[in-house]
Amino acid sequence: GQQLNQSPQSMFIQEGEDVSMNCTSSSIFNTWLWYKQDPGEGPVLLIALYKAGELTSNGRLTAQFGITRKDSFLNISASIPSDVGIYFCAGQNLDNNNDMRFGAGTRLTVKP
Amino acid sequence: DAGVIQSPRHEVTEMGQEVTLRCKPISGHNSLFWYRQTMMRGLELLIYFNNNVPIDDSGMPEDRFSAKMPNASFSTLKIQPSEPRDSAVYFCASSLETTNEKLFFGSGTQLSVL
Repeated sequence: GQQLNQSPQSMFIQEGEDVSMNCTSSSIFNTWLWYKQDPGEGPVLLIALYKAGELTSNGRLTAQFGITRKDSFLNISASIPSDVGIYFCAGQNLDNNNDMRFGAGTRLTVKP
Repeated sequence: DAGVIQSPRHEVTEMGQEVTLRCKPISGHNSLFWYRQTMMRGLELLIYFNNNVPIDDSGMPEDRFSAKMPNASFSTLKIQPSEPRDSAVYFCASSLETTNEKLFFGSGTQLSVL
């Protein structure tokens, strides 16, 4: 099946720093999404992207749908301690039963 | 809205026992998904329903796993008999969108099979 490669696997940063993470795939997706998972909870949707090249912001978060439709990145600016968690990318293929695949996640630690 | 409600939050059982996980989707959502999360394999889709009908169960690992959605407000995932390798966090999610891209997850059930 389609594989999503998410990197980095983990990040340790200082409060106030900017963060960037990305996902790549060998297959094309129609939709890219970014979720955040807090400890002991389910993932929560942060941003959804629907068109190649689309750049979308949600507060300090910015995500882009790659031109090739095979990649996406998520940036977090001016990180704060509550940004700690695991960030997952997800790609959806509308031509395959709306199949959605998740990346392995990027575990973010923010030091105050 | 209470969100997606899963029960129990934690389940510890012995190998060979039957396990039943429960989910109440968000009212009005027409799609329901069961995912399994492990360190090794990440988030895996097990099965999803649309309007209470199973659409894709290709992710269900074995015949020991079964899922039902008898009505729009309730679903179960059953493992019988359970094995230690079934230990994982099981998430239920629901979606309102036609294309099911925006998933709302429950808090999960942490299953430990001893």
